[in-house]
Amino acid sequence: GAGVSQSPRYKVTKRGQDVALRCDPISGHVSLYWYRQALGQGPEFLTYFNYEAQQDKSGLPNDRFSAERPEGSISTLTIQRTEQRDSAMYRCASSLMTLETQYFGPGTRLLVL
Amino acid sequence: TQLLEQSPQFLSIQEGENLTVYCNSSSVFSSLQWYRQEPGEGPVLLVTVVTGGEVKKLKRLTFQFGDARKDSSLHITAAQPGDTGLYLCAGVRGYGNKLVFGAGTILRVKS
Repeated sequence: GAGVSQSPRYKVTKRGQDVALRCDPISGHVSLYWYRQALGQGPEFLTYFNYEAQQDKSGLPNDRFSAERPEGSISTLTIQRTEQRDSAMYRCASSLMTLETQYFGPGTRLLVL
Repeated sequence: TQLLEQSPQFLSIQEGENLTVYCNSSSVFSSLQWYRQEPGEGPVLLVTVVTGGEVKKLKRLTFQFGDARKDSSLHITAAQPGDTGLYLCAGVRGYGNKLVFGAGTILRVKS
């Protein structure tokens, strides 16, 4: 595709439910990043992959958050047992190589009721 | 507490005015980037500054990286309504191009 795509664009869920957020990076991009952006704040790093390998997951808030990229392309960020404080915009970005420009997707807005 | 402090948080000006946005940190970064984000969209990279004291120009936008590589500024000359948006600075840390963002400056340019 022309750019990074994310789905769903909006997700409303009840507290305690699990959610899976999908990121489809730009074709051929090696590196994929996940960020979380609260209203009125800049994006906050969660984790990143090179190919299928998760290189850094230091930004994941707790063990309810996990991410995978099994074939080195599409990635899924999963939040288990969601809590209201998980409500935010979740953004994905990809870059051709690790030190190259990151291109951000439109994000998934998650609302936990 | 933000590692990168941006100021001002909000700026509303008239078309044609000049403005400067600041990004300050107590940490040293290998490089610093400026992004612009429009409503409903992801951040889009404007520039990367790498060398202490570096100045880069992008049309009416001038970016400067501090000598100690801890701070940066973005100056816009003769602002236009199309400049309206959220301006974010981000420091690059570590091997993995991990970005540390400031909270952003919301700019509104009125015609």
